[in-house]
Amino acid sequence: DAGVTQSPTHLIKTRGQQVTLRCSPISGHKSVSWYQQVLGQGPQFIFQYYEKEERGRGNFPDRFSARQFPNYSSELNVNALLLGDSALYLCASSWTVNEQFFGPGTRLTVL
Amino acid sequence: LAKTTQPISMDSYEGQEVNITCSHNNIATNDYITWYQQFPSQGPRFIIQGYKTKVTNEVASLFIPADRKSSTLSLPRVSLSDTAVYYCLVGDGGSSNTGKLIFGQGTTLQVKP
Repeated sequence: DAGVTQSPTHLIKTRGQQVTLRCSPISGHKSVSWYQQVLGQGPQFIFQYYEKEERGRGNFPDRFSARQFPNYSSELNVNALLLGDSALYLCASSWTVNEQFFGPGTRLTVL
Repeated sequence: LAKTTQPISMDSYEGQEVNITCSHNNIATNDYITWYQQFPSQGPRFIIQGYKTKVTNEVASLFIPADRKSSTLSLPRVSLSDTAVYYCLVGDGGSSNTGKLIFGQGTTLQVKP
């Protein structure tokens, strides 16, 4: 079975631009969560979606938004990019909130 | 969600048993304890989860004392490939899917030959 997939693997943007990251969960998983991981730190929770509804939101500005589609895939959008948004963005899918299966991440660099 | 405290780093040698302890003094009654492993430039990988006493799987053991204010991840006979960051998390293990995982800084384990 395929694990969680994310695209693209790497991305370079400039300040002020907008970016869309994509995630496909493990087949059968209805919950998708997004995390931001800055170098040297643990992942920080951004959003959780379950059955296409937002179930949780972390302490991130409104520039961050997400949605989940009927096939349970998900997109994370970040507007007006800042240098500090450079990070590894991780997507995780799950049946239960604790045992989450993470994808390889998208490395975003903002110049 | 309960905050966790764990050592920033640990060193070990191949073949040794490694024990990483995590403190979670404010753990709630319905919280589970979960450990994840992360290699550089990869997403975290679930290792083990427990609620009380001892849990063992093919990768590790998790020891949880009666007061549940701490837990110890035990990795038997580590190899160089076990070099990674290990995160201890506590949270609601229910099926409500309304929670979130709170990662700390983790413990960087360096296994030496």
